[in-house]
Amino acid sequence: AQKVTQAQTEISVVEKEDVTLDCVYETRDTTYYLFWYKQPPSGELVFLIRRNSFDEQNEISGRYSWNFQKSTSSFNFTITASQVVDSAVYFCALSEAGGTSYGKLTFGQGTILTVHP
Amino acid sequence: NAGVTQTPKFRVLKTGQSMTLLCAQDMNHEYMYWYRQDPGMGLRLIHYSVGEGTTAKGEVPDGYNVSRLKKQNFLLGLESAAPSQTSVYFCASSLRAHRLQYFGPGTRLTVT
Repeated sequence: AQKVTQAQTEISVVEKEDVTLDCVYETRDTTYYLFWYKQPPSGELVFLIRRNSFDEQNEISGRYSWNFQKSTSSFNFTITASQVVDSAVYFCALSEAGGTSYGKLTFGQGTILTVHP
Repeated sequence: NAGVTQTPKFRVLKTGQSMTLLCAQDMNHEYMYWYRQDPGMGLRLIHYSVGEGTTAKGEVPDGYNVSRLKKQNFLLGLESAAPSQTSVYFCASSLRAHRLQYFGPGTRLTVT
């Protein structure tokens, strides 16, 4: 069965610090998809990134970067020079590509990030 | 283009009451999903649908029923609400499996 673990329940940093959110996953499928979503205090879910299991290239988007390592089953998310607006709950999620998966997402527990001015 | 909408946004029920949550999408997506979000547990899948007229159970289906009579709508029903169903409910849709899921704004349900 698929599983996603975000071991960091809460992280607190001061503005301009770099912060890394950890995500470890378990799956028996060789093909799968990994996602990160952001949930700001307003409550909606904001898509950040989707990565398939065949693409291990790191991704950078502005202050955001993602490190995907199949060898350790990890898909970590780093925010460089954090800002107060980054304060949110961040979710990592996994979708197996098997025939009966139908795109179902398994979410981690979420990491609450608080960035202080 | 409204994307995914959910009705209502908030609701308070008494134990034993019933209600239906409506999810509507205008993107002609085939797949639709209902998740619930509880503190410290992330989002968990309740039911999903891979097309009009189809439904299937997710991880936590007990106490809920769903229907997908029209492609654009996915209804989640609570026949006899229980305090354990106090949660935030999110609907999502995607064009097909493993594509990006677009989430609605959520419905905050409290059962007293």
